[in-house]
Amino acid sequence: GNSVTQMEGPVTLSEEAFLTINCTYTATGYPSLFWYVQYPGEGLQLLLKATKADDKGSNKGFEATYRKETTSFHLEKGSVQVSDSAVYFCALSVSNTGFQKLVFGTGTRLLVSP
Amino acid sequence: DVKVTQSSRYLVKRTGEKVFLECVQDMDHENMFWYRQDPGLGLRLIYFSYDVKMKEKGDIPEGYSVSREKKERFSLILESASTNQTSMYLCASSWQGYGYTFGSGTRLTVV
Repeated sequence: GNSVTQMEGPVTLSEEAFLTINCTYTATGYPSLFWYVQYPGEGLQLLLKATKADDKGSNKGFEATYRKETTSFHLEKGSVQVSDSAVYFCALSVSNTGFQKLVFGTGTRLLVSP
Repeated sequence: DVKVTQSSRYLVKRTGEKVFLECVQDMDHENMFWYRQDPGLGLRLIYFSYDVKMKEKGDIPEGYSVSREKKERFSLILESASTNQTSMYLCASSWQGYGYTFGSGTRLTVV
């Protein structure tokens, strides 16, 4: 089946620290991979995506590289800010006859202190 | 920008009540989804729809039904609410492979 495994949180960092949130996946076929972010009291927003192996998605200083050989899509940021505090979800999509359905990980809460 | 609007941010309902959660999107997307979000479990798909009057079960459809009479509106129905349906409910829409847009969520408490 299709599944996503994320590191458990919370991840607690000081401002300007380096961030890594691990994500690995199991999928049939060739999925697309996504990171979504959920700020307090809000719905999920797409942060970045990659659609094929070795692609790098990036946005707002965050990056993730689609690694087929390790079935991973780890999220990184060089210097986090307090405003990055949120819950981060890794997800994959599987397409049947062109219809995309997302499978999510359990989410990782990031807490950044000043 | 695509907007997905969920009718209520917070709801409190009694056990056994019939509950309607409404979701409206404004960008003519074919696909719409209902998820529930619980701590430690992430997002789990309840139902989805790829066209008007079409619906498919997701991973946890038991105790829920849906309605899609118009393209822009997708309703989630709890036929007889139970305390184990207390959760955050998230609606989303998408167009083919271009990612999902989520609503802000409805936090439902069943007492």
